[in-house]
Amino acid sequence: GQQLNQSPQSMFIQEGEDVSMNCTSSSIFNTWLWYKQDPGEGPVLLIALYKAGELTSNGRLTAQFGITRKDSFLNISASIPSDVGIYFCAGQGTSGTYKYIFGTGTRLKVLA
Amino acid sequence: DAGITQSPRYKITETGRQVTLMCHQTWSHSYMFWYRQDLGHGLRLIYYSAAADITDKGEVPDGYVVSRSKTENFPLTLESATRSQTSVYFCASSEWTSGGDFGPGTRLTVL
Repeated sequence: GQQLNQSPQSMFIQEGEDVSMNCTSSSIFNTWLWYKQDPGEGPVLLIALYKAGELTSNGRLTAQFGITRKDSFLNISASIPSDVGIYFCAGQGTSGTYKYIFGTGTRLKVLA
Repeated sequence: DAGITQSPRYKITETGRQVTLMCHQTWSHSYMFWYRQDLGHGLRLIYYSAAADITDKGEVPDGYVVSRSKTENFPLTLESATRSQTSVYFCASSEWTSGGDFGPGTRLTVL
């Protein structure tokens, strides 16, 4: 079945630094999503991408739909302590199904 | 209140018992999903549904049963709970490409 590899698995950064993470797939996706999950909560949708090459921003967050349609990237600029959490990518395949496959997450810790 | 709710939020049960987790959404979204989240596995899809009375298996459906008699409700039943089903369960709803809106989760412990 389809798998998503998300990296890095975890990262510690200093407040104010920029953060980059990515997600790669063994197959093509039609849609890429990026979620953030805070402890004890459900994931919250940050950004949705629908077209290869698309670059979309949400405040300090910017995500890109890779040209090959097999990858996606999320950047966070000028990180702040509330950016702490787990970031998940999710992809929707091309087989006509409406289900999403999730990556295993990137755990972000911000040092003040 | 508009949104997606799950109940109970916490549940402790014993091996072999039947447990039902409830999910209710007020957006009239067509699609609903059940995921389980375990350390090291991320979110894995259990079952999903495109509309009332239409359900399909996800990655890890064994030991679970779902139904969807009304658009807004999507209960998940563990017919005979096992320790391996100890997990956090999330319900989500969406339209086709809008991404899922997740509920707050149910933390289930099977003793």
